[in-house]
Amino acid sequence: GQNIDQPTEMTATEGAIVQINCTYQTSGFNGLFWYQQHAGEAPTFLSYNVLDGLEEKGRFSSFLSRSKGYSYLLLKELQMKDSASYLCAVRETTGNQFYFGTGTSLTVIP
Amino acid sequence: DGGITQSPKYLFRKEGQNVTLSCEQNLNHDAMYWYRQDPGQGLRLIYYSQIVNDFQKGDIAEGYSVSREKKESFPLTVTSAQKNPTAFYLCASSIGRGGFSQKRYQPQHFGDGTRLSIL
Repeated sequence: GQNIDQPTEMTATEGAIVQINCTYQTSGFNGLFWYQQHAGEAPTFLSYNVLDGLEEKGRFSSFLSRSKGYSYLLLKELQMKDSASYLCAVRETTGNQFYFGTGTSLTVIP
Repeated sequence: DGGITQSPKYLFRKEGQNVTLSCEQNLNHDAMYWYRQDPGQGLRLIYYSQIVNDFQKGDIAEGYSVSREKKESFPLTVTSAQKNPTAFYLCASSIGRGGFSQKRYQPQHFGDGTRLSIL
């Protein structure tokens, strides 16, 4: 199995930057994904890392260190609509399964 | 446009009844998955299928059953043996194992979910 940890809740101010961390332990790693999920809706794909380093996509960036089993999602210029749950998911090699963390509920305040 | 369609959006189950949740995709994906999400929780894997006519149990398969007779379809049956079925159910699909050699992102695509409640 897999062990994926994320903080349960975070609060940040509109216009600020927030970093959401994710640590994982896996027997066969083949990529780490970040999803955004608004209440009552399906998760939507944000970013993907399979090699070490930073991937930037507009206001969102994601970082991966495979040796440390660590990733973070960076959200810049926060907007009220960014209030949502952010899910970290690891894809494992052998069974093509995706393992999800419990999600980080982000609240953006004015 | 390609995507995943789940139906119904809301479903109510009576005691002792089996109910089936539909999931159809036209993304030509080999792999399909069913997840359960409880309030304030992450996604837990119920069943997954890598290819037609084959499927495997996930972490919480007890009380559920699936079939994969067609590539496009992966219905989930919540049986009467599942004593606590109230949850948000999400279906997802992705490219299959053969995609590992390709250097492009391979996320899961999700349907809009089915919310199941007990009557």
